[in-house]
Amino acid sequence: GAGVSQSPRYKVAKRGQDVALRCDPISGHVSLFWYQQALGQGPEFLTYFQNEAQLDKSGLPSDRFFAERPEGSVSTLKIQRTQQEDSAVYLCASSLSGQQAQPQHFGDGTRLSIL
Amino acid sequence: DAKTTQPPSMDCAEGRAANLPCNHSTISGNEYVYWYRQIHSQGPQYIIHGLKNNETNEMASLIITEDRKSSTLILPHATLRDTAVYYCIVRSPAGGTSYGKLTFGQGTILTVHP
Repeated sequence: GAGVSQSPRYKVAKRGQDVALRCDPISGHVSLFWYQQALGQGPEFLTYFQNEAQLDKSGLPSDRFFAERPEGSVSTLKIQRTQQEDSAVYLCASSLSGQQAQPQHFGDGTRLSIL
Repeated sequence: DAKTTQPPSMDCAEGRAANLPCNHSTISGNEYVYWYRQIHSQGPQYIIHGLKNNETNEMASLIITEDRKSSTLILPHATLRDTAVYYCIVRSPAGGTSYGKLTFGQGTILTVHP
């Protein structure tokens, strides 16, 4: 079956531009997570959705980062006024529920490069 | 979330079993042990998870010590395609302000050689 799909796979933007990253979770998955992975590091949590509700945004690094999931399916991570330190791979994961016995399944990420 | 400790790197010969250790001495009774791996330019791939009992699936086996302070991921017949970074993660239950996020460490770079 189809896994988690993320687009675009690569994004290059100039400093100061706004970017939008899309995540299509596995159909029927209630929980959706966004992670940020810097070069050579493990992924770090950004935010969590249960259906359309954003229940945890404690990992968002600044108010320039905004995420939404308006219909409880597709999610978009938006970064405003991008800066060089935003360069990273942004990963999306979904799971059937938020319960700890349900594994999260990841997409292949969007590699964002800010020039 | 409990902290995990893994060796930074390991080598394994193709066709042999790869045994990847993980220490999680501060694990709580209701926390699961999860293993993921990440191949270059791909997202993390779920491998296996367990609470107390040993687990096996088509990819690997997970051996958890009786005191739950450590675990071992076993790839029974490693292939070149198993070369990846392997992450051992202790996952807290969802509840309160925790919604089951994964906290990744540095992982173990496993290199399978011919």
